[in-house]
Amino acid sequence: SAVISQKPSRDICQRGTSLTIQCQVDSQVTMMFWYRQQPGQSLTLIATANQGSEATYESGFVIDKFPISRPNLTFSTLTVSNMSPEDSSIYLCSVVTESNQPQHFGDGTRLSIL
Amino acid sequence: KQEVTQIPAALSVPEGENLVLNCSFTDSAIYNLQWFRQDPGKGLTSLLLIQSSQREQTSGRLNASLDKSSGRSTLYIAASQPGDSATYLCAVPMDGDDKIIFGKGTRLHILP
Repeated sequence: SAVISQKPSRDICQRGTSLTIQCQVDSQVTMMFWYRQQPGQSLTLIATANQGSEATYESGFVIDKFPISRPNLTFSTLTVSNMSPEDSSIYLCSVVTESNQPQHFGDGTRLSIL
Repeated sequence: KQEVTQIPAALSVPEGENLVLNCSFTDSAIYNLQWFRQDPGKGLTSLLLIQSSQREQTSGRLNASLDKSSGRSTLYIAASQPGDSATYLCAVPMDGDDKIIFGKGTRLHILP
C-alpha cells in the first residue's frame, strides 16, 4: 500500500492565522481526500483534491476557508485559513491508488487553536 | 442519503474472548465496505475491504462479513488481545466515486 507522509504532525496556532498541511505519497494515486475529525467525533470529508484543477468541496466546507492544492499525482496541501478555536481538530489526508480499492490514511495533523 | 451506524459505541471485554462489532448502512447500493482501526491520536489503518460480490473477508484473527440486502456488516475478532484496544470504524462509499462516509466507531477496550 502507499506510504503517506503528512506534515506537520501537530501544531498550536494563534486565532486568525492560517496553517498549510502537506500530504506526500510515495507513489502516484488516483484520488486524494482531506478529512476533519473533531474531538471525540468520527471523520467528515472536507473535499476531494483534484489534480490540476479546483478541489470538490462537500456541503458545509468552502474554498475560502479550506483552500486545497494538488499540483501532481503524489502531493496535496490543505490550508486552514483565519483559524478559530472551532477549527481545533485532527486533519487527515487519504488516498486511493485505484478505484474500488482500500483507502489509506496519513497519520493526521493535530491542530489546536488558542 | 447514506448513513452509517455502529453498535455498540463502546465495548470492554476480557482478554481472550471472541467479539463482534456491528455496522449498518441505510443505502444498500454499495460496491464495497471498509473496516478501519484508529489508535488514540493516530491516523486510520485499513483492516479489511469487502467487495459487494463477497460475503466475507478474513485477515488473521479478523473476519468481516457483508450482507448488502439487510444493510449490515460485522467485524469478528477472535481471541482478543490487549493490543486490539482501539476504535474500529466502518465506512461505505458515498456516491460512487471512492468518497467514503464513516460511522462513529466502536471504542474497544480489551482487559488484560
